[in-house]
Amino acid sequence: SQQGEEDPQALSIQEGENATMNCSYKTSINNLQWYRQNSGRGLVHLILIRSNEREKHSGRLRVTLDTSKKSSSLLITASRAADTASYFCATDTNDYKLSFGAGTTVTVRA
Amino acid sequence: EPEVTQTPSHQVTQMGQEVILRCVPISNHLYFYWYRQILGQKVEFLVSFYNNEISEKSEIFDDQFSVERPDGSNFTLKIRSTKLEDSAMYFCASSVATDEAFFGQGTRLTVV
Repeated sequence: SQQGEEDPQALSIQEGENATMNCSYKTSINNLQWYRQNSGRGLVHLILIRSNEREKHSGRLRVTLDTSKKSSSLLITASRAADTASYFCATDTNDYKLSFGAGTTVTVRA
Repeated sequence: EPEVTQTPSHQVTQMGQEVILRCVPISNHLYFYWYRQILGQKVEFLVSFYNNEISEKSEIFDDQFSVERPDGSNFTLKIRSTKLEDSAMYFCASSVATDEAFFGQGTRLTVV
């Protein structure tokens, strides 16, 4: 299966701390995308990293990609209560579809 | 900021009935998708659509499902005869190319 798998399944941190979650996948990709989903709501696109990129930043988000290990990480720095959500990686193999992982549920405690 | 809009936000239907879920993709996007998420499970790909035809579809997207772009702005998913297991959140997405996909807020379908 091409699906990404996130690790850990759940993460609980104090406000102000950093949150790191990982995604592993199985075959070559065109790009990898990270999404956030608040409970029962839609998917919000966070960041896209292409297969020829190793690191990308967007505000408090930092994404890395290691194609040799077929893995990616998402770091959220200085977390806030509003960051409480589920985070999903999704891989794109350029075949007109995204394959999602099961997600990491992040809880930021005030 | 442009966004993908979906209607209705929640639909309750009786088993065996037909439902049509509607989506308005972002206006300059060329690729359109439907995904679904059964409660507590992964987001699953259903179908992609480009240039007025299906580009790719999953095993889930059987003969009970169909998609249509009836005019220049709407993109619809029809489920011909709903089953209990079709209960899920259905997401529409669109993209300029096979690139960043932007998702709508979803339609929660409940089949009773």
